[in-house]
Amino acid sequence: NAGVMQNPRHLVRRRGQEARLRCSPMKGHSHVYWYRQLPEEGLKFMVYLQKENIIDESGMPKERFSAEFPKEGPSILRIQQVVRGDSAAYFCASSPTMIAEAFFGQGTRLTVV
Amino acid sequence: QQQVKQSPQSLIVQKGGISIINCAYENTAFDYFPWYQQFPGKGPALLIAIRPDVSEKKEGRFTISFNKSAKQFSLHIMDSQPGDSATYFCAASMRETSGSRLTFGEGTQLTVNP
Repeated sequence: NAGVMQNPRHLVRRRGQEARLRCSPMKGHSHVYWYRQLPEEGLKFMVYLQKENIIDESGMPKERFSAEFPKEGPSILRIQQVVRGDSAAYFCASSPTMIAEAFFGQGTRLTVV
Repeated sequence: QQQVKQSPQSLIVQKGGISIINCAYENTAFDYFPWYQQFPGKGPALLIAIRPDVSEKKEGRFTISFNKSAKQFSLHIMDSQPGDSATYFCAASMRETSGSRLTFGEGTQLTVNP
């Protein structure tokens, strides 16, 4: 059973471009969480999704950020018009049920130049 | 009220020593308290977790001590090894209402010298 797969592992974008981060949860997991980790800081919750639904997006910036978890395919975190302050490691985690343990992927390291 | 405060920010321990990391929280609705280990370039990995109805949990060299009245919990790593050198995060969640959404502490960078 493969773990949580995130791709790409590293992503470089110029200011103003769009960044798309993908997360394929573990098999049988229908709950996905996205977190952001700024350099030398802890992880901050961004959004919690279940298949086709956003459950909690209270940690998402109001503008430029969006997330989806379609019925088929990976969860996508989309950042439009990236700025230097978006440079961070973005992690997703998945769990099979709402209260089960969530397992983390290796992360996508976004660098905005 | 959603914050989890972690200390120290960094810790240096000699091989064989005890590493102690502390966390404090405010929100009494938290009902699950895990600790994660993160190596550079990797995602966090669950080490050990505790619920508030238990005061201590031990798994191998790792022990969580939990003080519900003080709203504090700590991680003890016994017989620390150089391979334990990593960043450790405490976290808390309200599983019954918010699922596995985690509120993380700021992290402790542990260095175990040989």
